[in-house]
Amino acid sequence: EIVLTQSPATLSLSPGERATLSCRASQSVSISLAWYQQKPGQAPRLLIYDASNRATGIPARFSGSGSGTDFTLTINSLEPEDFAVYYCQQRINWPYTFGQGTKLEIK
Amino acid sequence: EVQLVESGGGLVQPGGSLRLSCAASGFTFSSYDMHWVRQATGKGLEWVSAIGTAGDTYYPGSVKGRFTISRENAKNSLYLQMNSLRAGDTAVYYCARALRDTSGTLDYWGQGTLVTVSS
Repeated sequence: EIVLTQSPATLSLSPGERATLSCRASQSVSISLAWYQQKPGQAPRLLIYDASNRATGIPARFSGSGSGTDFTLTINSLEPEDFAVYYCQQRINWPYTFGQGTKLEIK
Repeated sequence: EVQLVESGGGLVQPGGSLRLSCAASGFTFSSYDMHWVRQATGKGLEWVSAIGTAGDTYYPGSVKGRFTISRENAKNSLYLQMNSLRAGDTAVYYCARALRDTSGTLDYWGQGTLVTVSS
């Protein structure tokens, strides 16, 4: 099973700042990696798929990069609604797995 | 508009069974791979099962042999039969659709149904 490790566990930033979230895979997942956002009491929402493709309706301030084992989700100029938990997820090998999440909180 | 609505959750005793349903609308259900993902309270996301358009199924070791995923395309419905339930199966269970041609990327999710396994 591929283990995804996200860092940091918690990121404290202010609106307007840039957020950089990391995800490292225990073995190569090529570009088969997605990012999701989850707010309290809500289902996850797809942000990025195949490492760098924005899902439909996702604002341009969200971007993804990386390949192999190291990936980054960048959120430029944080908006108040961006404070949430973010998960990375691989789909190259079954069982598909998620990272443990990064909580982005308001500083 | 794509909609996924789960039902069937509730309280069940350890060792018991439960069947979850997911009603899909707003898209051609038969053309998409479908998945179940769960989340224990305050915890992360865990894949539970997947079913392809051809009926091929996938399970992680934690539920293999106890859970069965199925679909009924004529009714636009996805199911999860859960047997031999354990306390560790307590979670919100989400039904989700996979993106076409990128199975395993979940672009639409239901709001979830809570399963509680307790005596």
